[in-house]
Amino acid sequence: KAGVTQTPRYLIKTRGQQVTLSCSPISGHRSVSWYQQTPGQGLQFLFEYFSETQRNKGNFPGRFSGRQFSNSRSEMNVSTLELGDSALYLCASSLTAGPYGQYFGPGTRLTVT
Amino acid sequence: GQQLNQSPQSMFIQEGEDVSMNCTSSSIFNTWLWYKQDPGEGPVLLIALYKAGELTSNGRLTAQFGITRKDSFLNISASIPSDVGIYFCAGQSRSGGGADGLTFGKGTHLIIQP
Repeated sequence: KAGVTQTPRYLIKTRGQQVTLSCSPISGHRSVSWYQQTPGQGLQFLFEYFSETQRNKGNFPGRFSGRQFSNSRSEMNVSTLELGDSALYLCASSLTAGPYGQYFGPGTRLTVT
Repeated sequence: GQQLNQSPQSMFIQEGEDVSMNCTSSSIFNTWLWYKQDPGEGPVLLIALYKAGELTSNGRLTAQFGITRKDSFLNISASIPSDVGIYFCAGQSRSGGGADGLTFGKGTHLIIQP
């Protein structure tokens, strides 16, 4: 069974630009969550989507947004990039939105210059 | 917001030794999860705990969900070189009829000395 895939794996953007990251969950998984990982703050929850609806949102500014498609694939978008947005962005999928273990993808390493 | 205190921050051990790490929280969690992350990769789920008091093993790994639902520990027996990495605990609570996003500890960096 294929795991969670994320594209692209690496990305370099300039301050002020916007970026879109993509995540394909494990087949059959309908819940997709996004996390930001930085050395200083660790892993922080961004948001969760289930059946194309955002169920939960972490404490991030409105520049961070996402969506989920009918095939459960998800995208997250960051507008007006700031230097502090440089991070590893991780996507995780799970069968449902309930308290089940989430399976992570390899992440997208975003560098903002 | 919810916070998890994970300790120790790092561990330097000899191959073959047993390892123990734990997480504590001021909040109650309904699910405790333990992950391992290797450099350049996403966290890999090791053990999931769903009930207070639950003790679960996965090979040489054993984890327990604390009876108060505010703590969990992970033990690794007879460590081997491939156990090197960063171990994260994560808690998940339920609110509004659904599950919240995971709250992660800061990680325990396990280093095995030859």
